[in-house]
Amino acid sequence: AQKVTQAQTEISVVEKEDVTLDCVYETRDTTYYLFWYKQPPSGELVFLIRRNSFDEQNEISGRYSWNFQKSTSSFNFTITASQVVDSAVYFCALSGPQSGGYQKVTFGTGTKLQVIP
Amino acid sequence: DAGVIQSPRHEVTEMGQEVTLRCKPISGHDYLFWYRQTMMRGLELLIYFNNNVPIDDSGMPEDRFSAKMPNASFSTLKIQPSEPRDSAVYFCASTPDRGSGNTIYFGEGSWLTVV
Repeated sequence: AQKVTQAQTEISVVEKEDVTLDCVYETRDTTYYLFWYKQPPSGELVFLIRRNSFDEQNEISGRYSWNFQKSTSSFNFTITASQVVDSAVYFCALSGPQSGGYQKVTFGTGTKLQVIP
Repeated sequence: DAGVIQSPRHEVTEMGQEVTLRCKPISGHDYLFWYRQTMMRGLELLIYFNNNVPIDDSGMPEDRFSAKMPNASFSTLKIQPSEPRDSAVYFCASTPDRGSGNTIYFGEGSWLTVV
């Protein structure tokens, strides 16, 4: 079965520090999609990024960057120069045929990030 | 474009009462999902629809839960009778049918407390 593991339950950093959130996944699919979502204290789930399994290029968006390593089944998320507004729970997710279809997304348990001013 | 719209945002109800959560997906999205989030179980997919037809309801916890999608712009999740263990945040989400790996967009959630 598909599985997403976010081993870090909670992380605290001081503002302006860099922080990496780990995500390790398991799947037997050869084609699959990986996602990151942010859930700020207000509660909504905000989409951050989608990556397909054939695209191993790392991506940078402002202070956010993602490192996809197919060889280690990891899709890590780094926030550079963290800010208080980055405080949130971050979810890694996976979808693929094995889960019953690309529409069935498997979420990790989330990593709660606290950025201390 | 408007996002996924859910109502009510917050609901407190007594055990045994019927609860109805409502959702309007993003216009043009063919898939609609109901998720439940709790501290213990994280994010769970309860049911999803494609073109108003329920495709997979294997995540619905028990017969007390039911979901309908009478048209492309409206869905309900009903709990009858409600129990304290149903207290959770219920998210509705939608995605277009443009092949594989589409991004799922979530509503702001309905925070349900059953006392």
